Formats: sequence, structure tokens, C-alpha cells
Amino acid sequence: IAGITQAPTSQILAAGRRMTLRCTQDMRHNAMYWYRQDLGLGLRLIHYSNTAGTTGKGEVPDGYSVSRANTDDFPLTLASAVPSQTSVYFCASSVDGSGANVLTFGAGSRLTVL
Amino acid sequence: KNEVEQSPQNLTAQEGEFITINCSYSVGISALHWLQQHPGGGIVSLFMLSSGKKKHGRLIATINIQEKHSSLHITASHPRDSAVYICARPGTASKLTFGTGTRLQVTL
Repeated sequence: IAGITQAPTSQILAAGRRMTLRCTQDMRHNAMYWYRQDLGLGLRLIHYSNTAGTTGKGEVPDGYSVSRANTDDFPLTLASAVPSQTSVYFCASSVDGSGANVLTFGAGSRLTVL
Repeated sequence: KNEVEQSPQNLTAQEGEFITINCSYSVGISALHWLQQHPGGGIVSLFMLSSGKKKHGRLIATINIQEKHSSLHITASHPRDSAVYICARPGTASKLTFGTGTRLQVTL
């Protein structure tokens, strides 16, 4: 089934630990995104990639890094997790980065940093 | 201040009612997205529209570019429509700006 796979679904993490959230899509979409969703704040863009080999910063990039080695994968890394990074993380993709194409979302990864 | 404003924030309706959720934005856009998120669930794209109206089943989305306003309508609402509905507009450099969502509860 075409779509986006995120892993893990849920994780509890000690502060200071390194964590990578994985995201894989099989739709050959050029653009991929990482969002975090917090109560009352809506979805906020962390990082994005318009094509393999390029990445860009979103609204809230501090403490996070991404890579886009190929079209399908877009991992998000927290180098040293802090409690304020407790959130639900969604990976998404679209045909291109224009904003004028339908977004496809992963099921989300719930991260708790203690 | 969020550049995308939704109203109402919360909405309770009885099964069968006609529902309208509104979205206003402050700058000109090329397209507007409507998304649906069920409790504890993932996010699904409902519509992406740049003019006029789109319909999918009992859902209808309209947009007025000049007035910078879009509406999502649900006809003959059903408890399974209970979800958070989110609108979003494209910004610069792939940055969609999202509304904070409208939480809809449809009761029997």
C-alpha cells in the first residue's frame, strides 16, 4: 500500500539521549517534511526537503537535524533530547514543495522526553 | 498571531445536522488545504483547492480568493465525522501555515 511509514510509533526517552525518527515513503514524492504537533499550537514545520540531497529549516528547527540521502527516506534526529521536545511528530510528503499539491502524512510518532 | 484563523474552535452537533467550519487567512494564496485528524489518529488530506468548490461524498469545500476565506461543509453529519479539521495555506519555501483546528463532535 502506497504511503508513508514512520517508526517508532511511540518512544519514551531520557533527556540527553540521541534519537532518530524514521520516515520512508514509496510514492516517489520529491518533497518531504517533518512537523511537530503540540496541544493548542497546531502543526509546526521542523525541517523540509524539496528533493533528494537538499534540506531546509522550518519554523522550529533548533535541536533537530535531517538528511535526505535518497528520495524515499527522511530521518529526523534529536542529537540530545530535552523535555520540550516531547510531542507528536508527523512526517509528510508531496509531489513537490510548492504547497499546491496534496500532502500525505505518516501515522505519527509520539515522543516523550523525561 | 496565526496567519490562518479557524472558527469555531469547538463544535458539537447532532447526527444529521449540516456543519460549517470556517477558515480565514491574511495573505493571498495559490491554494488552501483542508485536513482531517481523528482522535489519536493520523492526518488525512481532504481537499486542496485554489478556486470555487470541491465535493467528496458528504464533504464540500469552498473558497473565495478575494475575501481570503474558505469553508468546509459536512452534510448529514454522522458520529464518524467527529475529528479535528485543520486548514492550511502555502507560505514561502515549502512552509505551510496551519490553523489550530476545529474540534468537531457529532452525537447520536
